[in-house]
Amino acid sequence: AQKVTQAQTEISVVEKEDVTLDCVYETRDTTYYLFWYKQPPSGELVFLIRRNSFDEQNEISGRYSWNFQKSTSSFNFTITASQVVDSAVYFCALGGAAGNKLTFGGGTRVLVKP
Amino acid sequence: SQTIHQWPATLVQPVGSPLSLECTVEGTSNPNLYWYRQAAGRGLQLLFYSVGIGQISSEVPQNLSASRPQDRQFILSSKKLLLSDSGFYLCACGWGANSPLHFGNGTRLTVT
Repeated sequence: AQKVTQAQTEISVVEKEDVTLDCVYETRDTTYYLFWYKQPPSGELVFLIRRNSFDEQNEISGRYSWNFQKSTSSFNFTITASQVVDSAVYFCALGGAAGNKLTFGGGTRVLVKP
Repeated sequence: SQTIHQWPATLVQPVGSPLSLECTVEGTSNPNLYWYRQAAGRGLQLLFYSVGIGQISSEVPQNLSASRPQDRQFILSSKKLLLSDSGFYLCACGWGANSPLHFGNGTRLTVT
């Protein structure tokens, strides 16, 4: 069975601080996919990034960066110089090779204060 | 690109009443379709998914059912709602393991 754990339920930071969201996953698949989604207060989920299990390169997109470490089964997400608009719930998700039935973590609520 | 239409946006229903939530997808044909539920302050729970017309897989035994009468239409139903059915229901679509899921705007259901 697949499992995704986001141990941090809520993180509060002041604007311009960096914030790192932890994600630890469990799977027996050798091929799998990891995702991060953002859920702003309006409710819809917005796709941020997909990473497959064979690509351990870290990725940076603007103020967002992701650190994939297969050895520790982690796929952490860092927001650099946070802004109020980053306030949202962030979900890490895991999908197996058989299809894109995603297993989501419990989410981490990020509150960025001005 | 894909667009997911989900309605209604909010719904308040009494216990014991029926439910019908509809989701339609614009764009590429033959999507995989999903219903997720998010309880207040909780993560997303997969309820049903479908890989084709009339093909429904249930992830969690419950008071709900799903149907897919057309390729791009996915319906979530209940004959008699329970208080525990309250939550935020999200429809999603995807095309295989390489692509991310695209989500609709969700329906916030309150059962009173």
